[in-house]
Amino acid sequence: DQQVKQNSPSLSVQEGRISILNCDYTNSMFDYFLWYKKYPAEGPTFLISISSIKDKNEDGRFTVFLNKSAKHLSLHIVPSQPGDSAVYFCAAQFGTSGSRLTFGEGTQLTVNP
Amino acid sequence: DGGITQSPKYLFRKEGQNVTLSCEQNLNHDAMYWYRQDPGQGLRLIYYSQIVNDFQKGDIAEGYSVSREKKESFPLTVTSAQKNPTAFYLCASGQNYGYTFGSGTRLTVV
Repeated sequence: DQQVKQNSPSLSVQEGRISILNCDYTNSMFDYFLWYKKYPAEGPTFLISISSIKDKNEDGRFTVFLNKSAKHLSLHIVPSQPGDSAVYFCAAQFGTSGSRLTFGEGTQLTVNP
Repeated sequence: DGGITQSPKYLFRKEGQNVTLSCEQNLNHDAMYWYRQDPGQGLRLIYYSQIVNDFQKGDIAEGYSVSREKKESFPLTVTSAQKNPTAFYLCASGQNYGYTFGSGTRLTVV
């Protein structure tokens, strides 16, 4: 049972434009959501997170939006840069501190110069 | 600097052999995790440990074993029972929310 899904395996955008990566989840008990960025042959690095009590969190060029009623979150990158080309994983966590993360399948973002 | 270290970066194993992947953290995190990534696939949880001397199976534990004798260390053994061991293995640790990942070990069966 895939509780966190990223339905787009890949996304290609032009440099300077907006990148929007989407993620859906099925378990309404998830309390915390995170985005990780991963380059080939490296470990994922934390990008941005959002608590379920918020609907938006912003950090520089990165903004995460959460729609709890739709069980949907999205990551916006504006403006997109070639260095943003990587695989992006959405993850969800229950409210219990230290609980395991559940990851989506990942979306390969390619930003073309 | 605090971090999480996986070694080796690349590992080759002959069929039928067991091999152990190392994972060490100095972040003082209670929880540690092992994930596997295959080409074009997401991160699948193998084993995790939330406290020393205790660990639980994840979603794909068959053919793997772990130990957690020290807070800092969580080695993963890939046994000969694992039918498709060639993959990229990631170790992570966490305390409250989110994880810190290591840089991964690429295991290839030859």
